Amino acid sequence: ETGVTQSPTHLIKTRGQQVTLRCSSQSGHNTVSWYQQALGQGPQFIFQYYREEENGRGNFPPRFSGLQFPNYSSELNVNALELDDSALYLCASGSGTSDYNEQFFGPGTRLTVL
Amino acid sequence: GNSVTQMEGPVTLSEEAFLTINCTYTATGYPSLFWYVQYPGEGLQLLLKATKADDKGSNKGFEATYRKETTSFHLEKGSVQVSDSAVYFCALTTSNNAGNMLTFGGGTRLMVKP
Repeated sequence: ETGVTQSPTHLIKTRGQQVTLRCSSQSGHNTVSWYQQALGQGPQFIFQYYREEENGRGNFPPRFSGLQFPNYSSELNVNALELDDSALYLCASGSGTSDYNEQFFGPGTRLTVL
Repeated sequence: GNSVTQMEGPVTLSEEAFLTINCTYTATGYPSLFWYVQYPGEGLQLLLKATKADDKGSNKGFEATYRKETTSFHLEKGSVQVSDSAVYFCALTTSNNAGNMLTFGGGTRLMVKP
């Protein structure tokens, strides 16, 4: 059983650019959630996808968007990058949407916006 | 809304010392409670969880008891090791969330010296 993987590991962009981050869920999982972790802070929920549909969204603007594919891999897209978007982006996969379902986190993508 | 408050770090201890990291929460609904650990350069790993009042979660010598009357979920370990050095996050999710989004505290860095 493979774990949750994310790519790329690190990324540097400039303000105003667009970025796509990728996540490969753990085998058998049908939910994927994305979190933003600014330096020295706890992760903040961006959104969750369940069976390819958005299933909940945190307090993030529409320029943060996502996709979940039939193989349950996922993308996080961020348009019009701002300096404050610099953070570690974590994805987490799980086997359901109940609070009993454990979520398994990937190692994250470190995004730096200059 | 939901929120989690943790004691600020860093917490610096000598090996074999007793550890307590305080965590309190506010929640709409009946939360499940979690402790996650983040080692340097890695994503989050679930350390332990408790899903109802008076439950005790435990793993790797760490324990936390779900205290509904004080809305707390303090993390304890009787004898820390250097390898326990990491950042610890308290988190919750509630059954009335869209999906099972996790709300995290700000994290507490633990440094254990030999």
